[in-house]
Amino acid sequence: EAGVTQFPSHSVIEKGQTVTLRCDPISGHDNLYWYRRVMGKEIKFLLHFVKESKQDESGMPNNRFLAERTGGTYSTLKVQPAELEDSGVYFCASSLRHQETQYFGPGTRLLVL
Amino acid sequence: SQQGEEDPQALSIQEGENATMNCSYKTSINNLQWYRQNSGRGLVHLILIRSNEREKHSGRLRVTLDTSKKSSSLLITASRAADTASYFCATDGVNDYKLSFGAGTTVTVRA
Repeated sequence: EAGVTQFPSHSVIEKGQTVTLRCDPISGHDNLYWYRRVMGKEIKFLLHFVKESKQDESGMPNNRFLAERTGGTYSTLKVQPAELEDSGVYFCASSLRHQETQYFGPGTRLLVL
Repeated sequence: SQQGEEDPQALSIQEGENATMNCSYKTSINNLQWYRQNSGRGLVHLILIRSNEREKHSGRLRVTLDTSKKSSSLLITASRAADTASYFCATDGVNDYKLSFGAGTTVTVRA
């Protein structure tokens, strides 16, 4: 069974540009989560989808971040326009049921110059 | 606010020794999970322990949970060089599905 995959693995962009990150959860997992770790800080929750619906987006830092999960399969996280403080590692995770094991992808390393 | 806090921040041991790290949290939890992250790689799930469980084993890993003290420990027995990584505890709340992570313990196993 394939694990959670994320694309791209690395992204280097300039401040003001747009970047879209993609996450493919484990097949059949209705729950999909986005987290990020900015330099030197702990991993922080961004948002949670159940199928295509946003269950909790309390961790989204501001309206420059937009997450979608059309069709309830893969998800995208768009940052527009990117700022320097958005640099970090963005993780995606999925779980079969809520409050069960969350399986993480390898992360996307974003660097905003 | 940070829910889990690992202790120590860093640990260096000789191959074959045991490594113990602790995690403390602030609010009531439903589950506590331990993850490992090798340098530059993703988070690998190690073990999940539920709030009504006190101890769990998986291979060379032993996790304990003391809900009265709001703390958990992860013991790695007979450590190997491949165990060199950062270890994180993560909790989810009773009515909360998101994980709250600590800052992690960096473990270095010397050959």
